[in-house]
Amino acid sequence: QKEVEQNSGPLSVPEGAIASLNCTYSDRGSQSFFWYRQYSGKSPELIMFIYSNGDKEDGRFTAQLNKASQYVSLLIRDSQPSDSATYLCAVRPSGGYNKLIFGAGTRLAVHP
Amino acid sequence: DAGVIQSPRHEVTEMGQEVTLRCKPISGHDYLFWYRQTMMRGLELLIYFNNNVPIDDSGMPEDRFSAKMPNASFSTLKIQPSEPRDSAVYFCASSLTGPNQPQHFGDGTRLSIL
Repeated sequence: QKEVEQNSGPLSVPEGAIASLNCTYSDRGSQSFFWYRQYSGKSPELIMFIYSNGDKEDGRFTAQLNKASQYVSLLIRDSQPSDSATYLCAVRPSGGYNKLIFGAGTRLAVHP
Repeated sequence: DAGVIQSPRHEVTEMGQEVTLRCKPISGHDYLFWYRQTMMRGLELLIYFNNNVPIDDSGMPEDRFSAKMPNASFSTLKIQPSEPRDSAVYFCASSLTGPNQPQHFGDGTRLSIL
């Protein structure tokens, strides 16, 4: 079992819809969770992070965390074609240090 | 503020040659990470440093790879000798200490070994 799992996609949604990206992780002691966006040919850029159970909202983005189910998700409201990218889920495992374990990423395609 | 700076942006070289990738972390960051990204394997952590000391190099694929961090503002990743299967995008990232501190990535070096 991979430590951080994501559906590779592509996830195709129409412009204006809600895109839902999901991630599960295996280390129950994981401390914090990050979502990165990566455009083709570019480097990963941080969208947001979450460390407490529940929802965290930032503009059109909402991160949701359920530690009991070892599940974290990212919702993108009012999806735009410019949101088309690969979204990487990253998990900070237990045991100290600032290491992140990345999932393989979900490719999102928003079509007009 | 300047972000993580990597050089070169692109490198094309022949098999067997030595390749050196360079990284300047964000000033004040005490963690530095080297990653490799390919379509097949995704983003792989190769090695990371804390306060210039290597903490975990278990991701380094083999002895042909080595990394150093002689001071807080500079790190190198060296491949000697290089092989075509080393072709990938290599990213450097840095962060502050803390469970909620994100990693900030450089623009990467696209390496092609012919």
